[in-house]
Amino acid sequence: GENVEQHPSTLSVQEGDSAVIKCTYSDSASNYFPWYKQELGKGPQLIIDIRSNVGEKKDQRIAVTLNKTAKHFSLHITETQPEDSAVYFCASRGSYIPTFGRGTSLIVHP
Amino acid sequence: SAVISQKPSRDICQRGTSLTIQCQVDSQVTMMFWYRQQPGQSLTLIATANQGSEATYESGFVIDKFPISRPNLTFSTLTVSNMSPEDSSIYLCSVEASGRFQETQYFGPGTRLLVL
Repeated sequence: GENVEQHPSTLSVQEGDSAVIKCTYSDSASNYFPWYKQELGKGPQLIIDIRSNVGEKKDQRIAVTLNKTAKHFSLHITETQPEDSAVYFCASRGSYIPTFGRGTSLIVHP
Repeated sequence: SAVISQKPSRDICQRGTSLTIQCQVDSQVTMMFWYRQQPGQSLTLIATANQGSEATYESGFVIDKFPISRPNLTFSTLTVSNMSPEDSSIYLCSVEASGRFQETQYFGPGTRLLVL
């Protein structure tokens, strides 16, 4: 089955810095890659996604890049703010069931 | 997108009892999923529930322990039966949005369960 590796497990940055979270996947048939943000006490919220026919997608301060050849995709958050502090999950989907990474705890220090 | 609500939001239960979690969606969806998230961990799929058919369980999860109902296209329940402390977890309902991008998946707020 699909295997998704996510790094780092914890990321601590100063407010205003950029944050990058990376994921690799194993199934070359995977074609959809969503990212979720989970705040304390809440369910995961879809923040951005990318499909395999696109190499990069941007939405204000967040962007996702995809390298299908290398089978990795990354989440980029610029000008981080304390409210960006949360756990971020990547996922990879080939069949109808996505596989999730183990999560990255992002801490933004004011 | 889809707006998902879950009841209860949290509960504390005694071992040996059962708890039924409800999931309500604001639109009709074909596929609904139930996940478990243990503290500090990722999301583990329990089962997929499609309306009009039996739920499909993932490896390590059985119907006797986690019976699921899916009576219509906007509602599902998950029961955690004969609970033990190991069942303490967050249980998440998820749906796949219908429409152009069918593979978009959304999550409910979760049910936080503590078993004593």
